[in-house]
Amino acid sequence: AQSVTQLGSHVSVSEGALVLLRCNYSSSVPPYLFWYVQYPNQGLQLLLKYTSAATLVKGINGFEAEFKKSETSFHLTKPSAHMSDAAEYFCAVSDLRQGGSEKLVFGKGTKLTVNP
Amino acid sequence: DAGITQSPRHKVTETGTPVTLRCHQTENHRYMYWYRQDPGHGLRLIHYSYGVKDTDKGEVSDGYSVSRSKTEDFLLTLESATSSQTSVYFCAIRDRVAGELFFGEGSRLTVL
Repeated sequence: AQSVTQLGSHVSVSEGALVLLRCNYSSSVPPYLFWYVQYPNQGLQLLLKYTSAATLVKGINGFEAEFKKSETSFHLTKPSAHMSDAAEYFCAVSDLRQGGSEKLVFGKGTKLTVNP
Repeated sequence: DAGITQSPRHKVTETGTPVTLRCHQTENHRYMYWYRQDPGHGLRLIHYSYGVKDTDKGEVSDGYSVSRSKTEDFLLTLESATSSQTSVYFCAIRDRVAGELFFGEGSRLTVL
């Protein structure tokens, strides 16, 4: 079964600093990978996804992630943090099953704090 | 916004009572999911559906059952609620494998 590990349940950066949120996955086959963001008291929304095309994926709000098969990683980055980036971020991997079923397994999340 | 609604949005109930949460979509998407979100655990999959009457268990399915008798509705039932099932429940839909997952706004359940 697929699984996802997010290193660091809390990350704190200063406004304007680099944001790096780490995600490692376990998969025996090439996976589909996703990053979602959740703002307080809201549902999750998609930031970006990797589906075996380009290894560097650009998403919304200036975020990007790089798929590295050799490291089984899909880390999320943003060159310059903004106060509005404060939220919880979730990495997810797609687990394909026979018969057409498919489920999405999420990591435990990383809460990003941006300090002025 | 994706046409997905959850009901009820908030519910307080007592231990041992049955509870049903409803997820309704207007997008005609094939896949539907129920997750629960708890501090320190992220989102954990309870059950999911890949078509009408086609459902499967997730990682935390004990104590929960689901039904999908038509494309637009996915029901999550707690047959006998326990305090450990106090959580925020999210429904999600997608139209295809690796497609974007759209989430509802969540249902906050408190079991006393």
